[in-house]
Amino acid sequence: AQKVTQAQTEISVVEKEDVTLDCVYETRDTTYYLFWYKQPPSGELVFLIRRNSFDEQNEISGRYSWNFQKSTSSFNFTITASQVVDSAVYFCALSEPRNTGGFKTIFGAGTRLFVKA
Amino acid sequence: GAVVSQHPSRVICKSGTSVKIECRSLDFQATTMFWYRQFPKKSLMLMATSNEGSKATYEQGVEKDKFLINHASLTLSTLTVTSAHPEDSSFYICSARDGGGSYEQYFGPGTRLTVT
Repeated sequence: AQKVTQAQTEISVVEKEDVTLDCVYETRDTTYYLFWYKQPPSGELVFLIRRNSFDEQNEISGRYSWNFQKSTSSFNFTITASQVVDSAVYFCALSEPRNTGGFKTIFGAGTRLFVKA
Repeated sequence: GAVVSQHPSRVICKSGTSVKIECRSLDFQATTMFWYRQFPKKSLMLMATSNEGSKATYEQGVEKDKFLINHASLTLSTLTVTSAHPEDSSFYICSARDGGGSYEQYFGPGTRLTVT
């Protein structure tokens, strides 16, 4: 069964602090994809990253970095030197093959990040 | 990058009426589209998977007669909320998967439905 757990409901930090958003997933498949999306107040989902299950390399993109650990089924997201514009809801998502073909993507509950000036 | 559009972005309707929401992939062919529903301060819940030229696959607990999905072409899927009630008020988001095999899933900007 698929499951994505984002245990942190809300996080509040002061600008310039680093913050890590946790994501733990469950899947029985060996082939799957993990994603992070940002949802600002406007509601539109902004794609941040996709990782396939065979690529455990960590990734850095500017102030964003991701730590994929298959051993602990975690895909954590760190924002370095946070800024007010980072305030949003962040979703972790898992996509795995369906028995009937294609893929199904489910989302974690989301973590609401507040960055205060 | 690939773009998915939704129309309308906001709609207010009266109880008992039906509302149609369109989802279009603008620069790629989407053999599969997904419809999600998001309640305020909640996560996205997958409602159904829409396959071009065939019937949609609904998730458990989603009424197929209530939420009619039509995927008539490789670039268009529609969700019709029939006989809408206030509890159907929500943010509806569609997503399209690039049929080119990249498995990229692109999300539309969402449609906010308010039923009065």
